[in-house]
Amino acid sequence: EVQLVESGGALVQPGGSLRLSCAASGFSFNSYWMNWVRQAPGKGLEWVANIKSDGSEKNYVDSVKGRFTISRDNAKNSLSLQMNSLRAEDTAVYYCTRLLNNGYPDYWGQGTLVTVSS
Amino acid sequence: DIQMTQSPSSLSASVGDRVTITCRTSQGIRNDLGWYQQKPGKAPKRLIFAVSSLQSGVPSRFSGSGSGTEFTLTISSLQPEDSATYYCLQHYTYPYTFGQGTKLEIK
Repeated sequence: EVQLVESGGALVQPGGSLRLSCAASGFSFNSYWMNWVRQAPGKGLEWVANIKSDGSEKNYVDSVKGRFTISRDNAKNSLSLQMNSLRAEDTAVYYCTRLLNNGYPDYWGQGTLVTVSS
Repeated sequence: DIQMTQSPSSLSASVGDRVTITCRTSQGIRNDLGWYQQKPGKAPKRLIFAVSSLQSGVPSRFSGSGSGTEFTLTISSLQPEDSATYYCLQHYTYPYTFGQGTKLEIK
C-alpha cells in the first residue's frame, strides 16, 4: 500500500525557516517524480514544486523560487521541502504527492500545516 | 502560465441527478488533465487522469471528457457521498495549475 506521511509543519515567524519531510513507503520511491502542493486555509490547491526521480531536475512555482528548495533522499525514501524567508502568504497545508510518468499526482499524503505569523 | 477556469464555483443538486463540471484552459494541454475530489479536512483524492481514465476504485458514475481547451467531469447519478469540492489540474506545463474548485452540495 502506497503511503506518504508528511511532518514538520509548525508555527513560524515571518522571515523564519522550516523544513518539511515526507516519508514514503509501499512503492519504489526512486522510480517516481515527487511533488509538493499546498492549500491555504479555505482556499484552493496550488502546485509548489517537484523533483525528478534521481533528483537531477527540480521545478518551482515563481512565488517560492529562491526561497524554497525541494530535495530527496532515495536511500531513506524521503522527500523534503526547505522553506526559507517565510511569508504570511505561505501559510497552508502542504501535501506531498507522488507523480505518474505523465506528471499526474496520484497518491497524496494527509498534509502538514505551516502557519507563518508573528 | 496556463489559466484554468472552472465552473460553476458551486452547485446544489439532488440524489440521482446528472452533474457536470467544466474546466477551460487558456491554451491546449493535450490530455494532461486530471480531476480530484476533496472532502473537508481531507487530502484530495484522485478521480480521473489523462482526461478520461478512471482511477482504480473510483465509481463508474464518474467520467471525464473533453479535448483542446474544454474538459468536463460528469457524475451520472449523484450520490450523497459525492458531496465535496472538485478540482481540475493541468500538468502539461509548468507551473502546474489547478482550477478554482467546484463545491458540490446535495439538496
